[in-house]
Amino acid sequence: DTEVTQTPKHLVMGMTNKKSLKCEQHMGHRAMYWYKQKAKKPPELMFVYSYEKLSINESVPSRFSPECPNSSLLNLHLHALQPEDSALYLCASSHSGAANTGELFFGEGSRLTVL
Amino acid sequence: AQSVTQLDSQVPVFEEAPVELRCNYSSSVSVYLFWYVQYPNQGLQLLLKYLSGSTLVKGINGFEAEFNKSQTSFHLRKPSVHISDTAEYFCAVSDQLNTGKLIFGQGTTLQVKP
Repeated sequence: DTEVTQTPKHLVMGMTNKKSLKCEQHMGHRAMYWYKQKAKKPPELMFVYSYEKLSINESVPSRFSPECPNSSLLNLHLHALQPEDSALYLCASSHSGAANTGELFFGEGSRLTVL
Repeated sequence: AQSVTQLDSQVPVFEEAPVELRCNYSSSVSVYLFWYVQYPNQGLQLLLKYLSGSTLVKGINGFEAEFNKSQTSFHLRKPSVHISDTAEYFCAVSDQLNTGKLIFGQGTTLQVKP
């Protein structure tokens, strides 16, 4: 069983909708990540939060808006998405600071379909 | 900057045969190395990692990998595969500067046939 929980597992939305993806971890990690993964491709980094502050934004369009309300939760707010944004969205967490070796703990993902 | 090359996009193999999935990396600094597995419609799961010490690393599900610094390789091996090993396998590296960025290879699809 994964210790990183993502909801919902599946989401279908129209291009004018507003929705959110949620991620929760209880491993005491202080770094959390959003990745986007297209079929048969590796995950692509979108955002990194470290100690609840945004530390990396990989030039992601503003229609994706991350939020880290506390050390256990990570949200990704979606608005005015395009069909090409359809993908598997993966949340991950890790140790932070000097203990961060790059090892990531992934959730099962939220599969998003934009109509 | 680092980069990772997985030399085979698909590896078909018969059940109970041995398998090797190849991974080469380039980096100007010391790195940590990882192999992740992704089963259909699931997230990524860590198979094994090399941080330091012995260059032969054992992981879950009978997999092992060997870090070769001179060849800049980290190939994944299993002596006898099962149908359940059919999945996508990703090699990944991170620098030892604790930046939190993990660089993935393009992935190798392991197809185990009966």
